[in-house]
Amino acid sequence: SQQGEEDPQALSIQEGENATMNCSYKTSINNLQWYRQNSGRGLVHLILIRSNEREKHSGRLRVTLDTSKKSSSLLITASRAADTASYFCATDAKGSNYKLTFGKGTLLTVNP
Amino acid sequence: DGGITQSPKYLFRKEGQNVTLSCEQNLNHDAMYWYRQDPGQGLRLIYYSQIVNDFQKGDIAEGYSVSREKKESFPLTVTSAQKNPTAFYLCASIRGDGSSGANVLTFGAGSRLTVL
Repeated sequence: SQQGEEDPQALSIQEGENATMNCSYKTSINNLQWYRQNSGRGLVHLILIRSNEREKHSGRLRVTLDTSKKSSSLLITASRAADTASYFCATDAKGSNYKLTFGKGTLLTVNP
Repeated sequence: DGGITQSPKYLFRKEGQNVTLSCEQNLNHDAMYWYRQDPGQGLRLIYYSQIVNDFQKGDIAEGYSVSREKKESFPLTVTSAQKNPTAFYLCASIRGDGSSGANVLTFGAGSRLTVL
């Protein structure tokens, strides 16, 4: 079952611009996580936001969480060509016993 | 360096054959997971194991089998009963996130299985 759904499916921007990706989910969560995947590689954890947090920053990343709307956004500021990758949200649902559920991802292309 | 090693990276199989994908971790993590990824899709959970000698089915366990005889190892067998096995397979283990104390996944580099 797909818990998180990212939007848009694909995003193409110029280097230096900001990129915003959104994630919607269906059930109550303990936390929501964002992962990055370069083509043909494994996923890498980027940032985690707990259900009682509204915003979190890590370097050029900013994550927001709105539990009333069951949605989250990931903002990458001042994008670089090296940010080109797929980005996935994953939810740790209450009672899931550490089974993260992933969305289908947003493919971000940053053009030099 | 600690991490998760998956092998082989690429594997070709004829229809009707069983194949086993290896996953080894030296992170001393208790819980390990297998996910399947199809093109343009998210990850779907196949099996997971929270402790040695115990494992549970995920969302798409049919046609797959696993074992967890050692903490470090969690091999996945794709059996001939799996009707559409061509996919990218990812192994992961749970670690604690230092800043939040919550659990996040550490992934291997993946194994790409193609059925000929």
